[in-house]
Amino acid sequence: EAAVTQSPRNKVAVTGGKVTLSCNQTNNHNNMYWYRQDTGHGLRLIHYSYGAGSTEKGDIPDGYKASRPSQENFSLILELATPSQTSVYFCASGDRGEQYFGPGTRLTVL
Amino acid sequence: GDSVTQTEGLVTLTEGLPVMLNCTYQTAYSTFLFWYVQHLNEAPKLLLKSSTDNKRTEHQGFHATLHKSSSSFHLQKSSVQLSDSALYYCALSDRGYQNFYFGKGTSLTVIP
Repeated sequence: EAAVTQSPRNKVAVTGGKVTLSCNQTNNHNNMYWYRQDTGHGLRLIHYSYGAGSTEKGDIPDGYKASRPSQENFSLILELATPSQTSVYFCASGDRGEQYFGPGTRLTVL
Repeated sequence: GDSVTQTEGLVTLTEGLPVMLNCTYQTAYSTFLFWYVQHLNEAPKLLLKSSTDNKRTEHQGFHATLHKSSSSFHLQKSSVQLSDSALYYCALSDRGYQNFYFGKGTSLTVIP
């Protein structure tokens, strides 16, 4: 079974603080993705990566950075968190279009 | 830019009835279309992936046909079950499976 894990699962942050969301996959997939999920907007792609050392902007990259230090790990970084970034964040790894999603991280920015 | 439009909001159906969830897309490039399903408190999972133009793909009783002429990839099932209650997303990707665009999702509720 494909495995994507995320940490933390829940996070409360303060406005202006730095937040790092971590993702690990054991599928050996080249492609990895970060999404946010909001009611009324669905899933929106923030950043993706096609291999270690690469990061690319998705549809809504503003306010987010990403880091892919290895095949297995892909992080999403909010340097200056804002309340509008309160959301559920999903990481996924992909093979030929089939994406395996992690369990999600619920982030609340106060 | 690329986009996906799907049946919006909530769809409520009685068990045993057929369902069709609409999905149309806009892209300037050759692409793949997908349906993902997300049950309550779970992560999204792949349900269907498009094949060639006008070819039907099926999985778990659901089916969809890519029609490039109308830019559509509607999801259908002949008889819904209670366990089909979930959030359904239509999505498109580029040929390299790198950039993905999801629709806003359709919530399907099946009642006895």
